Amino acid sequence: NAGVMQNPRHLVRRRGQEARLRCSPMKGHSHVYWYRQLPEEGLKFMVYLQKENIIDESGMPKERFSAEFPKEGPSILRIQQVVRGDSAAYFCASSPERGTQETQYFGPGTRLLVL
Amino acid sequence: AQSVTQLDSHVSVSEGTPVLLRCNYSSSYSPSLFWYVQHPNKGLQLLLKYTSAATLVKGINGFEAEFKKSETSFHLTKPSAHMSDAAEYFCVVPLGNTPLVFGKGTRLSVIA
Repeated sequence: NAGVMQNPRHLVRRRGQEARLRCSPMKGHSHVYWYRQLPEEGLKFMVYLQKENIIDESGMPKERFSAEFPKEGPSILRIQQVVRGDSAAYFCASSPERGTQETQYFGPGTRLLVL
Repeated sequence: AQSVTQLDSHVSVSEGTPVLLRCNYSSSYSPSLFWYVQHPNKGLQLLLKYTSAATLVKGINGFEAEFKKSETSFHLTKPSAHMSDAAEYFCVVPLGNTPLVFGKGTRLSVIA
C-alpha cells in the first residue's frame, strides 16, 4: 500500500508565476489536509478537503491560494502570483475517517522556492 | 482552545544516553495527543499517539510518552539514544474535530 504521494518534491518559481502542488492520498483515504511549514517553524494547517468538498479552509490565506480535491485524481494546492514569502515546505496528509482519534499520514512534502 | 508548547527548541544527547523531549498541552478536556518525527528533508512519521486508553504510550523505535493530566504534560522519552534518532520532533494536538496543531518542534542531536 503506497503512502501519501506528493509531486513535485521540489519546485522553483519566479515571483508572479503560479505554483501547483499535487497530493495523492493513501489508498482508501478520502480525507486530505494541507499544511505549510515555514523555515524553523512547525507545520501550520491550511485546508481540509474531502472528495469534491472543502470542509475547513480556516488556515488558508484569503488571496492567491486555492485547493481542490476532485472526484478523480489528486488533490491540488494552487498558489497564484507567488511571492518570496510563499517559499516553504508544503505537506499533504490523509486519513480514512474524520475525527480527533484518526492518525493523519503525511507525504514527503513539496519544497517551494520562489526566486 | 487546544495548543502545545515544546519547552526546548534543541536537545543534544550522547549516543546511548536517555532522551527527554518535553511537551505541555493546553486543553479544556483530555485531548488526543501525538508525537511526530521529521528527518531532514523528509515527511513526517507518526511516533505514537495518546487516545485515553492508557497513560503510558509506547511508540516505534523504542520511544514512549506518558500523559500526565495533573501536569498537562506529554513528554517523549527513550532510554538510549541512537545516532539515527537525530531529527526534528513535533508534539501535536488536534484542534476541534480535525486539523492538527503542531508545536514549534524540538531538534534532537545525538553525539557519538
